[in-house]
Amino acid sequence: QSALTQPRSVSGSPGQSVTISCTGTSSDVGGYNYVAWYQQHPGKAPRLMIYDVTKRPSGLPDRFSGSKSGNTASLTISGLQAEDEADYYCCSYAGSYTFLFGGGTKLTVL
Amino acid sequence: QVQLVQSGAEVKKPGASVKVSCKASGYTFTNYAIHWVRQAPGQRLEWMGWINAGKGDTKYSQNFQGRVIITRDTSASTGYMELSSLTSEDTAVYYCARSPNIPSPSDWFDPWGQGTLVTVSS
Repeated sequence: QSALTQPRSVSGSPGQSVTISCTGTSSDVGGYNYVAWYQQHPGKAPRLMIYDVTKRPSGLPDRFSGSKSGNTASLTISGLQAEDEADYYCCSYAGSYTFLFGGGTKLTVL
Repeated sequence: QVQLVQSGAEVKKPGASVKVSCKASGYTFTNYAIHWVRQAPGQRLEWMGWINAGKGDTKYSQNFQGRVIITRDTSASTGYMELSSLTSEDTAVYYCARSPNIPSPSDWFDPWGQGTLVTVSS
């Protein structure tokens, strides 16, 4: 299976909003409402940010939001802060109880 | 609190096998699944498979079929991932992560273990 397609990098200034896309097919992203997003700082384990396309774990600020249209899911981060600088990965259910990650996106806060 | 603690770094020769452990605490081990995910240096996350910690059934990514075996020891609340026929391309950090319940399409991964670096080198 090929990885889901994400932009290699995005950037924004503090206070601005950025959106990271995650494109798959009708066999994964488009076929199910089971997309999650993970944040990973260098040398650290990933952290769950969004699940089931739009849901936030308890305690996560509402600056992070998720959506989906067709075969593309998106993560939007509003009110960018310096600590948001990290790698972000999408992950989708891909059928037959298997899962597929995206290629990852490096977010730079300018 | 829910916590997953993994075994320490390993160095293996090509052709060898490695077995990484993941000890769970803070919850009822058999009520959830454990997933395994790896990340080669500078590369993306790659899902490897899961085990239903209660029933013991497993599912593997086609990319690792035949080379990976995921097991668990319920008495020790510990999951294991064994990867065989290692090559330099298997050099990576291997993570375990818990699912929100028994394996389902809506699984997400939280929390994660701290990761175990496996280096394959002659």
